This record gives sequence, structure tokens and C-alpha cells, in this order.
Amino acid sequence: GAGVSQSPRYKVTKRGQDVTLRCDPISSHATLYWYQQALGQGPEFLTYFNYEAQPDKSGLPSDRFSAERPEGSISTLTIQRTEQRDSAMYRCASSSLAGGYPLNEQFFGPGTRLTVL
Amino acid sequence: SQQGEEDPQALSIQEGENATMNCSYKTSINNLQWYRQNSGRGLVHLILIRSNEREKHSGRLRVTLDTSKKSSSLLITASRAADTASYFCATDGWYNFNKFYFGSGTKLNVKP
Repeated sequence: GAGVSQSPRYKVTKRGQDVTLRCDPISSHATLYWYQQALGQGPEFLTYFNYEAQPDKSGLPSDRFSAERPEGSISTLTIQRTEQRDSAMYRCASSSLAGGYPLNEQFFGPGTRLTVL
Repeated sequence: SQQGEEDPQALSIQEGENATMNCSYKTSINNLQWYRQNSGRGLVHLILIRSNEREKHSGRLRVTLDTSKKSSSLLITASRAADTASYFCATDGWYNFNKFYFGSGTKLNVKP
């Protein structure tokens, strides 16, 4: 596609419910990132994928958070048993690879604003 | 905790003036990037500087990098009201160039 898209743009859920957020990266981009951004702060790294491989999950806050990219394109971020502290903007970004290394310039999506009541 | 930290937290200037914001980081890096975020919107990549570079220009933007001091600065010359945004630096990890650390940003307000 022309840019990175995310859905839904807004999600309101009740504490204890599961939510799944979706990211559709730029079609030619091999690398996909997930970030959590609190209001007034910079994005915090959650995890990334190179194609369908997920080499680094170190930023996921707890085992309630998981991400998938089964076919190396669209990715989902799932938060199980949501808690109020999970309320944040969740951003997805993608970038190209060259010779196996990321080109580093990340193209960000508009984000999903998650509110847990 | 985040590696990159911007300074100042907020900056207010008149249109036409130059704006300088700084970024400090803690560990060795491969490269450092600057991003802009307009209110409530996505982040836009501005410029990337590699650890073996000292200065880079792109239009009205000038970025410097001092690896001995672990710091970078972003200079926006002849600022415009449209430059009003938050500016973030992002560093990678020396051993993990796919893991990026963003600072908490500098909020720039350019008054017309």
C-alpha cells in the first residue's frame, strides 16, 4: 500500500477483555516494528519482525502481550486480559532491508489509541 | 528506560528564528535518527546520521553527532509555523541495530 495503516484507530475496552490490533505495513518492507507510546512520551519499543521471524520480543511488557506476522506482511498485536495501565497509543512502523540489514528509516502508521476502562 | 533524552523539553520561538534541540544517549550506537511528530499524528523520519559521521544537512535541517560526548543536536534554520511539532531522537543498540530507543522529545512551538 501507499503507507502503513493500522486498525482500528480507536479501541475502548473493559478491563479483562482481550484486544487485537492490526498493522498493514508498506508492501515492500521486510521489517515491521511495534511501539507503545504514552501521552507526552516517545515511542517505546515492543518487538520487531524480519519477514515472519520475530528475533526480539524483549520490549513486550508481560506475557499478556504477543505479536504475530505469520506470512511476513500484516501483523497483529494481541493484549490479553487488558489492564488500565495498557491504555496508550500503539504504533506500528515498517522499513526496508538491504543486504540483510535494515535501512533504519521507519515509516510509522497513524496508531491505535487503546483505552482500557 | 529510554536511551535518548532530548533537551530542552519545550522550546518556543518566533517564525524566522533558528531552533536547536539536543539529544543525549548512554551507550554506543550505530546510528542516530531524528523524527518529527505533529500533534496527535504519526512520526515522520527527518534525518539519519551514522556513528562515523559528524555532521549532516537536509534542507533547513542540520544534525551534528559527537560520539565522544554521546550527544547530537538538531538545528532547524529559518523556522516556520509549520515546524511546530514534537521532535524525537532515536538511537539503535550497538549490538542490536533493530531495537530503537526514543527519547521523550522536545516540543517546539513556532509563533507566527
